[in-house]
Amino acid sequence: EAQVTQNPRYLITVTGKKLTVTCSQNMNHEYMSWYRQDPGLGLRQIYYSMNVEVTDKGDVPEGYKVSRKEKRNFPLILESPSPNQTSLYFCASSFLGQGTAFFGQGTRLTVV
Amino acid sequence: GQQVMQIPQYQHVQEGEDFTTYCNSSTTLSNIQWYKQRPGGHPVFLIQLVKSGEVKKQKRLTFQFGEAKKNSSLHITATQTTDVGTYFCAGRASRNDYKLSFGAGTTVTVRA
Repeated sequence: EAQVTQNPRYLITVTGKKLTVTCSQNMNHEYMSWYRQDPGLGLRQIYYSMNVEVTDKGDVPEGYKVSRKEKRNFPLILESPSPNQTSLYFCASSFLGQGTAFFGQGTRLTVV
Repeated sequence: GQQVMQIPQYQHVQEGEDFTTYCNSSTTLSNIQWYKQRPGGHPVFLIQLVKSGEVKKQKRLTFQFGEAKKNSSLHITATQTTDVGTYFCAGRASRNDYKLSFGAGTTVTVRA
């Protein structure tokens, strides 16, 4: 089954404790991206990647890091999480040049 | 930078009635996509429009792309409880721009 898998689905952590949210897709998509969703703000892009070892900043990259060492994986790293990073995070993937983005199930992160 | 705006933010509809949600971009778009997110779920791709003035239908849903390719609309006829959710539009500035800019979404509730 074609899918984008995120882990964990829920996470509560404390300020400053490094964390990683994993994202994996099995559709051989070149393009992968991370979004955060906050009430009234829609989906804002954090980082995206057009292929292995190619990443770029989206609209709200501050406080986040990503890596793309393999085509299927695109982890999101929060080196020192802060409460303003409490949000719902989605990973998405698609073929380059094609519109359809497949989204993961989401990760609800709470930073206290 | 490119901004995509959606109105209204909330739409409360009587079952059986029609409604329309609108999407407007500050710049010309290469294409526009629509996604639906059910409560507690993740965004799911509905459709993509590419051509100026394009109209596409999916059962009770009609999608339109403006002549200037700066706006789009989604019209739902005979609203059902299954239409509940948040509808997002998302656009790309050019064919070589892989960054998707999402609107804030229209959240639809239905009263029986």
